[in-house]
Order: sequence, then structure tokens, then C-alpha cells
Amino acid sequence: KNQVEQSPQSLIILEGKNCTLQCNYTVSPFSNLRWYKQDTGRGPVSLTIMTFSENTKSNGRYTATLDADTKQSSLHITASQLSDSASYICVVSAVAGGYNKLIFGAGTRLAVHP
Amino acid sequence: NAGVTQTPKFQVLKTGQSMTLQCAQDMNHNSMYWYRQDPGMGLRLIYYSASEGTTDKGEVPNGYNVSRLNKREFSLRLESAAPSQTSVYFCASSLGTGDNSPLHFGNGTRLTVT
Repeated sequence: KNQVEQSPQSLIILEGKNCTLQCNYTVSPFSNLRWYKQDTGRGPVSLTIMTFSENTKSNGRYTATLDADTKQSSLHITASQLSDSASYICVVSAVAGGYNKLIFGAGTRLAVHP
Repeated sequence: NAGVTQTPKFQVLKTGQSMTLQCAQDMNHNSMYWYRQDPGMGLRLIYYSASEGTTDKGEVPNGYNVSRLNKREFSLRLESAAPSQTSVYFCASSLGTGDNSPLHFGNGTRLTVT
């Protein structure tokens, strides 16, 4: 069964600190892995998309890593800001008949406190 | 560019009532999607439209119908609302369904069925 599991469910950090969010998946056949940021009351916004051959990708203070062998990904946030408070969603894509089927994790809720 | 626009933002229905959720995108995307988001769960696909003139069922289509009115607009209809359909509904669009292009989401419709 295709599944995406994220940990921790929630996290509180102080402004300026770094943090790492985890994503484990059992999805086949793998196409790509995506990280989205979802602010409260808003729709998700894409942060990164990584294919099988990519093991790291950055978007500003966000760096995603992918280990396709162990089927794990992480999202590292550097020098956190109050605006980083949001849910972070890991999404894994499986290709089936030319269509990318997206499997969404339940998200990690991050709170950055001053 | 407005991106993906959803209306209404909030709605309360009584059991058995019907309603249509509207979605429009101005990015000239070919593919459009309807998802629902429930607490503690990942987003689940209700229906999608790979291109103008086509629609297909997703993971949880029961109780819903869709119409791809033109390339810009994709509506979701609840014919006879049930309390189990209380959720946040997101419309999304992308260039295609078989590539690595990101999904662009609207800001959601919060629906309560009493």
C-alpha cells in the first residue's frame, strides 16, 4: 500500500534555530518527492520537487534531501523565522499510465516562537 | 495573476442540500484537481481533469460530481450533502498530470454540513 509518513506530528522551536522534518514513504513506482508549505487558512505552496536522481535541493532557507534507497526525505529549515510557522507536507508521486498519482502525508505542524 | 481562485470561502449546508464549489485558474494550466483535507489526514483526491473535456475519479469520488467548463474553470458539485462531507476543499491546477510540474492550490472552501 502506498503510504507517506511524516514525523514529528508537531514541533515548537525558537526563532533563529534550525530544525529538520522527516518523511518516510513506501510508494512504487517512485516518480518524484515534493515538499509543500501550508499556512493556516491557506492552500499548500510548493517548496521543492526532487526526482529519483536528485539527493538535495534548496529553496532559500529550506533544503530538502532525498535518499531513494532508504525511501526517506528530510526538510531542513535554517535560521527559522516567525513566518516559518506552518504545516509542512511531504508528497510522493507514483507514475501510473502516464499519470502522476500524488500521495500526501498528514504534515508536520511547526510553530516558531520569538 | 490571481493564480487559483475558489468560491465561496465558507459554506454551511443542511443535510440533503446541494451546492457547487467554483474554481478558476489564470495560468493556462491543462490539468485541474479537487482535493479534500480532513484533520490528521493527508489531502485526498476527489476528481481530476487531465485536460479540457476530460474528467476522472480520484480516491474519494462518491457523493460528488465535477464539470470542466472550459480550460480555466473546474467546478465540484455536492448533490445531497452529508455530514461526512464536512471538510476543507481545495482546487489545484498544474501544467500536466504526467510531468514534474508543481500543483498550484487555491485557498480552500470550508464546508460544514449539519
